[in-house]
Amino acid sequence: DAGITQSPRHKVTETGTPVTLRCHQTENHRYMYWYRQDPGHGLRLIHYSYGVKDTDKGEVSDGYSVSRSKTEDFLLTLESATSSQTSVYFCAISEPQGKTQYFGPGTRLLVL
Amino acid sequence: AQKVTQAQTEISVVEKEDVTLDCVYETRDTTYYLFWYKQPPSGELVFLIRRNSFDEQNEISGRYSWNFQKSTSSFNFTITASQVVDSAVYFCALSEAGSNFGNEKLTFGTGTRLTIIP
Repeated sequence: DAGITQSPRHKVTETGTPVTLRCHQTENHRYMYWYRQDPGHGLRLIHYSYGVKDTDKGEVSDGYSVSRSKTEDFLLTLESATSSQTSVYFCAISEPQGKTQYFGPGTRLLVL
Repeated sequence: AQKVTQAQTEISVVEKEDVTLDCVYETRDTTYYLFWYKQPPSGELVFLIRRNSFDEQNEISGRYSWNFQKSTSSFNFTITASQVVDSAVYFCALSEAGSNFGNEKLTFGTGTRLTIIP
């Protein structure tokens, strides 16, 4: 199994509070991704990173920001959480050129 | 833009029956990659297979087989002699190789929930 951890695994927060999710990898893979999973939508890409300090937006990036200061860590921040951001968040890693993306265990976030 | 369609939202079959999960994709690229992932009730995403657009050879892995047909833009997944442990949500996904740096995004279908009835 790919060495990917996500923290926290579960979080309950209130509307308007900031939230940061962390993804940590031990595989030294260049690319990292954040997805959210919602019923009826499958997984949708929020942001991704193709190297340290190199990030770009995905399909559903509004309300989210990311940072990658080290190869192994990719942070997802909700600056002011809203109820629509209640979801399961998955981190993934891969190497370039269409290589397989391997996923972390997921973080279940509930915004009240 | 790339798109993946999994028209079967839910399927139920009796154990030991064969079942096929459909996946139809859209892309303008000539080079692309197709994937299947399994999400069991525990919630993790498990990689099953990766296929590139130049390799149309069908693949078999134990009870699992995949049928890739570029002519119909389909990448279907068959489970033979299904077992209760096969109960899960299965996702098909597409990645375009592209020429842009960092263009490695996966587009997922909405998934098919497979229930195997004992």
